[in-house]
Amino acid sequence: SQTIHQWPATLVQPVGSPLSLECTVEGTSNPNLYWYRQAAGRGLQLLFYSVGIGQISSEVPQNLSASRPQDRQFILSSKKLLLSDSGFYLCAWSVAGVETQYFGPGTRLLVL
Amino acid sequence: AQTVTQSQPEMSVQEAETVTLSCTYDTSESDYYLFWYKQPPSRQMILVIRQEAYKQQNATENRFSVNFQKAAKSFSLKISDSQLGDAAMYFCAWINDYKLSFGAGTTVTVRA
Repeated sequence: SQTIHQWPATLVQPVGSPLSLECTVEGTSNPNLYWYRQAAGRGLQLLFYSVGIGQISSEVPQNLSASRPQDRQFILSSKKLLLSDSGFYLCAWSVAGVETQYFGPGTRLLVL
Repeated sequence: AQTVTQSQPEMSVQEAETVTLSCTYDTSESDYYLFWYKQPPSRQMILVIRQEAYKQQNATENRFSVNFQKAAKSFSLKISDSQLGDAAMYFCAWINDYKLSFGAGTTVTVRA
């Protein structure tokens, strides 16, 4: 069966520091991968999605970037964090050509 | 712009009773997918049920069922025989070209 992992689970970072969040999927090949952000008490906002290695589409211009160095690995990065980057970050995957997305456990990021 | 509206910020239900959550959406597409996701206190997004717009039959998953009214662009979720473990935030979502658009969510509390 397929599983999706995210780490770290929780992260507290100072303003201006770099960021790297990692997402990996097991049990499937060539998945579509997604990064979402959820502000407190609100719905999810799509940040990036990828349909293959090195293929990244950005939905919202911001202080973040994404990379897909391997088929089942998706990384969310920032060179300098802002206070507004605080939130809950969720990675998701789907089978190519199938609409349903499955989510990881998420990372809580607090920027101070 | 495609939007998803959940008009009930909070709903309360007695254990073993039934609760219905409302969702409306706006799209000009004719073929699409709709979802209900559950987000418990752990904040992981869990897929509850999925509906394909070209299917007239309402989807069901154990105690969860939907009432899909395509012409009215309505997609409500019914939770039957509510259990304490059903307490969570529920999000209605619609997908177009990889992007899931979420409603604001409905918080469901279950009274013992």
